[in-house]
Amino acid sequence: EVQLVESGGGLVQPGGSLRLSCAASGFTFSSYWIHWVRQAPGKGLVWVSRINSDGSSTNYADSVKGRFTISRDNAKNTLYLQMNSLRAEDTAVYYCARVLTYNSFDPWGQGTLVTVSS
Amino acid sequence: QSALTQPPSASGSPGQSVTISCTGTSSDVGGYNYVSWYQQHPGKAPKLMIYEVSKRPSGVPDRFSGSKSGNTASLTVSGLQAEDEADYYCSSYGGSNTEVVFGGGTRLTVL
Repeated sequence: EVQLVESGGGLVQPGGSLRLSCAASGFTFSSYWIHWVRQAPGKGLVWVSRINSDGSSTNYADSVKGRFTISRDNAKNTLYLQMNSLRAEDTAVYYCARVLTYNSFDPWGQGTLVTVSS
Repeated sequence: QSALTQPPSASGSPGQSVTISCTGTSSDVGGYNYVSWYQQHPGKAPKLMIYEVSKRPSGVPDRFSGSKSGNTASLTVSGLQAEDEADYYCSSYGGSNTEVVFGGGTRLTVL
C-alpha cells in the first residue's frame, strides 16, 4: 500500500524551530516529487513547498521563503521540513503529498499539527 | 484571500447533480490544463478526485467529472450520495514561482 506518514508536529513558541518528517512506503520514493501543504484550523489548503525526486530542486511559498527548508533522504525514504522562526500564522496541520502529475497529489499523508503559541 | 475563487457552499438532494465552480486567471486555471479537485471529509486528509481537468484516478466513481472553460473549472457530482458530503478544493498549476494555487473550498451538503 502506498503510504505517507507525517510526524514531528507539536507546540512551539513563536520564534522557535521544528522539524517535520514524512515517511514513505509502498512505492519507489526516489522517483517522485513531493510537496508540503498546510491547513490552518478551519481554513483551506495552502501550498508550502516542493522538492524534486533527487533533491536538487526546491521551491517555496513566499510566506515561508527564508524560514523553511525542504529536504529528503532517499536512502531512508523520508522527506523533511525544517521550520525556523515560527510565527503564530504558521499554526496548521501540515500534509506531505506525492505528485501524481504536475500539481495533482495522490496520496496525502494523515497530517501533523503544528501549533505556534506562547 | 485564496488565489482561486470557489463558492463557499453547495447543496443537492440524493440522486441530484451539483456543480462546483473554480475561477482563476489566465496565469493559472486558464493557462494550463492542470486543474485538480480534492475531497476532504472532516478530520481527514484530502483525497484526489480529478486531475488534469477531467481525469479520474483509479477508484474514483464516474459520478465525479471535471471540465474547464476559459479561466473557470468545474466539478460535477452526479447521482449525489450521502457520502459525497464533504469539502471540495480545486487547485491549479500557478507557474514556476507559485507552483500550486488552491481555491478556498466549497462545503457540499447532501440534503
